[in-house]
Amino acid sequence: EAQVTQNPRYLITVTGKKLTVTCSQNMNHEYMSWYRQDPGLGLRQIYYSMNVEVTDKGDVPEGYKVSRKEKRNFPLILESPSPNQTSLYFCASSPGQGVYNSPLHFGNGTRLTVT
Amino acid sequence: SQKIEQNSEALNIQEGKTATLTCNYTNYSPAYLQWYRQDPGRGPVFLLLIRENEKEKRKERLKVTFDTTLKQSLFHITASQPADSATYLCALDVKAAGNKLTFGGGTRVLVKP
Repeated sequence: EAQVTQNPRYLITVTGKKLTVTCSQNMNHEYMSWYRQDPGLGLRQIYYSMNVEVTDKGDVPEGYKVSRKEKRNFPLILESPSPNQTSLYFCASSPGQGVYNSPLHFGNGTRLTVT
Repeated sequence: SQKIEQNSEALNIQEGKTATLTCNYTNYSPAYLQWYRQDPGRGPVFLLLIRENEKEKRKERLKVTFDTTLKQSLFHITASQPADSATYLCALDVKAAGNKLTFGGGTRVLVKP
């Protein structure tokens, strides 16, 4: 089944403890992206990647890192999480080099709580 | 500044009626506009994509219009069913700001039997 898989689905952590949220897609998509979703603010893009070893900042990249060493994986790294990073996170992928003419396929989300 | 606005108030509608949602944008010139459905606790699911040179697109009971003069897209669900209850998001490509989709805040639709 074609899908985007995020892990974990739920994560509770403490301020400053490094964490990684994994994202994997099995559709051979070139484009991958991370979003966070907050009440009243909607979906905001954190980082995106147009291909292996190519990443770029979205609208809210501060406090996050990403890597794209393989086509299928696009982990989101929080080196020192803070409470304002408590949010619902979505990974998404798209065929081709971008989203101009292609829909995004989303994972089911990771709900992160930082205390 | 650039804005995408969707009605933040929930739309309550009777089963069988047509639900109409709006997506207004300012200071954008999108080449494409997309609509997604999101159920609680789940990721958005793609529904329809419409290009700037297309006036209307249909898929089963769904219809999308795109008016670049009014800077508005309308999303219609005809013969609505309780299973259509969800939040619907519009999204624009923003080429000038990089390769990304920018989303509106979404409109929640509740279809009552």
